[in-house]
Amino acid sequence: AQTVTQSQPEMSVQEAETVTLSCTYDTSESDYYLFWYKQPPSRQMILVIRQEAYKQQNATENRFSVNFQKAAKSFSLKISDSQLGDAAMYFCAYRDSNYQLIWGAGTKLIIKP
Amino acid sequence: DTAVSQTPKYLVTQMGNDKSIKCEQNLGHDTMYWYKQDSKKFLKIMFSYNNKELIINETVPNRFSPKSPDKAHLNLHINSLELGDSAVYFCASSPGTYRETQYFGPGTRLLVL
Repeated sequence: AQTVTQSQPEMSVQEAETVTLSCTYDTSESDYYLFWYKQPPSRQMILVIRQEAYKQQNATENRFSVNFQKAAKSFSLKISDSQLGDAAMYFCAYRDSNYQLIWGAGTKLIIKP
Repeated sequence: DTAVSQTPKYLVTQMGNDKSIKCEQNLGHDTMYWYKQDSKKFLKIMFSYNNKELIINETVPNRFSPKSPDKAHLNLHINSLELGDSAVYFCASSPGTYRETQYFGPGTRLLVL
């Protein structure tokens, strides 16, 4: 069975600095999708970025980028120029061929002004 | 023009009651989902419908019954509510199946007293 592990329950970063959130997963599949979702205090789950496993190029969305290492089964999220509005829980998720999203336990990101 | 909406946002009720949570998406998506997020922020899939057909039915008590009157709506009915049902329930939708990104509703916070 697939699993997703986020080993950092909480991370903090100074505003305008860069922070990296880690995520590892375990799977025997070769074709899958990976996602980072953000959940601010409002509870809304917001898609941050997604990566297709068959693409070697790392996905990028403005200040958010991923470091996807397929062989190592690692999918970390880098946030550049951190802003106060980035403070949230961040969830890594794996989408398998059975329609399901497998979720990590989340990392709470604190932005220090 | 909310993409995925849920009603109500908050629901406080007594043990033993029956309640429903409604979800609607105006994105034209074929697949809809219900997730439960517990107090530890762990997200767990409950059900998924594709074009009104049940495709994921995880191990949840049969007090929980999803209903999809059409592909834009997926309601969740809960009978005989228990204290352990207290959680945040998220509805989500995606254009198709496993390759597609899921878009989440704002969540419904259920508190059973």
